[in-house]
Amino acid sequence: GQQVMQIPQYQHVQEGEDFTTYCNSSTTLSNIQWYKQRPGGHPVFLIQLVKSGEVKKQKRLTFQFGEAKKNSSLHITATQTTDVGTYFCAGPPGGSYIPTFGRGTSLIVHP
Amino acid sequence: DVKVTQSSRYLVKRTGEKVFLECVQDMDHENMFWYRQDPGLGLRLIYFSYDVKMKEKGDIPEGYSVSREKKERFSLILESASTNQTSMYLCASRPGTHYGYTFGSGTRLTVV
Repeated sequence: GQQVMQIPQYQHVQEGEDFTTYCNSSTTLSNIQWYKQRPGGHPVFLIQLVKSGEVKKQKRLTFQFGEAKKNSSLHITATQTTDVGTYFCAGPPGGSYIPTFGRGTSLIVHP
Repeated sequence: DVKVTQSSRYLVKRTGEKVFLECVQDMDHENMFWYRQDPGLGLRLIYFSYDVKMKEKGDIPEGYSVSREKKERFSLILESASTNQTSMYLCASRPGTHYGYTFGSGTRLTVV
């Protein structure tokens, strides 16, 4: 079945440093979604990318969807302590409407 | 904002008990989902429903069943709770197939 891998599993950064998490699928995806889960919280939808090569920005967050629609990345510029949490990608394989979640990247920001 | 409400934040049940987890959404969403979240395993889909009275098995349906008698309510049932069902259970909904999920706050179930 489809697998969605995220790397790294954990990332420690100093406040102000940049952060990137990568998401790779074994199959072509219809779209890619990104979620953030704060410690003790629940996943919150951030964004969805649909088109090959698409890039979207939300303030300090930049999301990319690969040309082959099999990979994606989330980049945070100048991290803040409020960025702490686990970031999940999720995507349905082509022809499906149910996304498979990656296992997430936990971001720890040191002040 | 869409709200997905799960009836209990924490629940402790005994092995063999029948357990009901309730989820209600207030924005007329078509699709509803139940996931469990375990450390190191991420989010795993148990069951989902595209519409009232409809249900589909996810990746790990064994030991669970669901009910969707009304559009806004999706219930997860553990027929006979076991200790390996101790987990965080997350309900989610979405308006349709091309949208992201709105998750509830989760129910942390402990089976003793």
